[in-house]
Amino acid sequence: GQNIDQPTEMTATEGAIVQINCTYQTSGFNGLFWYQQHAGEAPTFLSYNVLDGLEEKGRFSSFLSRSKGYSYLLLKELQMKDSASYLCAVRDPGRGFQKLVFGTGTRLLVSP
Amino acid sequence: GAGVSQSPRYKVAKRGQDVALRCDPISGHVSLFWYQQALGQGPEFLTYFQNEAQLDKSGLPSDRFFAERPEGSVSTLKIQRTQQEDSAVYLCASSLAGAADTQYFGPGTRLTVL
Repeated sequence: GQNIDQPTEMTATEGAIVQINCTYQTSGFNGLFWYQQHAGEAPTFLSYNVLDGLEEKGRFSSFLSRSKGYSYLLLKELQMKDSASYLCAVRDPGRGFQKLVFGTGTRLLVSP
Repeated sequence: GAGVSQSPRYKVAKRGQDVALRCDPISGHVSLFWYQQALGQGPEFLTYFQNEAQLDKSGLPSDRFFAERPEGSVSTLKIQRTQQEDSAVYLCASSLAGAADTQYFGPGTRLTVL
């Protein structure tokens, strides 16, 4: 099976930078996703990494190291609206990599 | 274009009742997924359709759970004889076609079984 670990909760201050880590163990790899989920709302797509390295998209960046089974999501210039859960997910290699396997999510609280 | 929509947004059922949850995927999306999300947890896979074909139902927790997508668009997740442990948010996601495509999620249906 697949195993994904990420911290349960993090706190940070408005305007700061925060890094949310995700480690995974999978029998096959075909990409890692980060989603943002505000309470009571749909998970929304943030980023997708399939090759090693850093992908930057505005205030958000995502990094992947396949050899280490490791990814992080970097959020810069934090805003209050960034308070949400951040979900790390990998594609399950069974049956054609269709389904996603999620971590438990990291709840980020941004304070003034 | 509209995103994935789900109805109802909230459902309260008495234990033993049957419920039906509806998902309208993004227009033109071939693949449709159902996930179950318990409080404080990440979504867990239930089942997957490609058009009208249910290609993977390995995540359905029991034979009380049944999903269909008869015309390859709207999908319904049905839970028979609901139990308290079925209380969760049921998320639907759709993607354009294949394994390489991003899944886009609906807002979910929060089911509470009393």
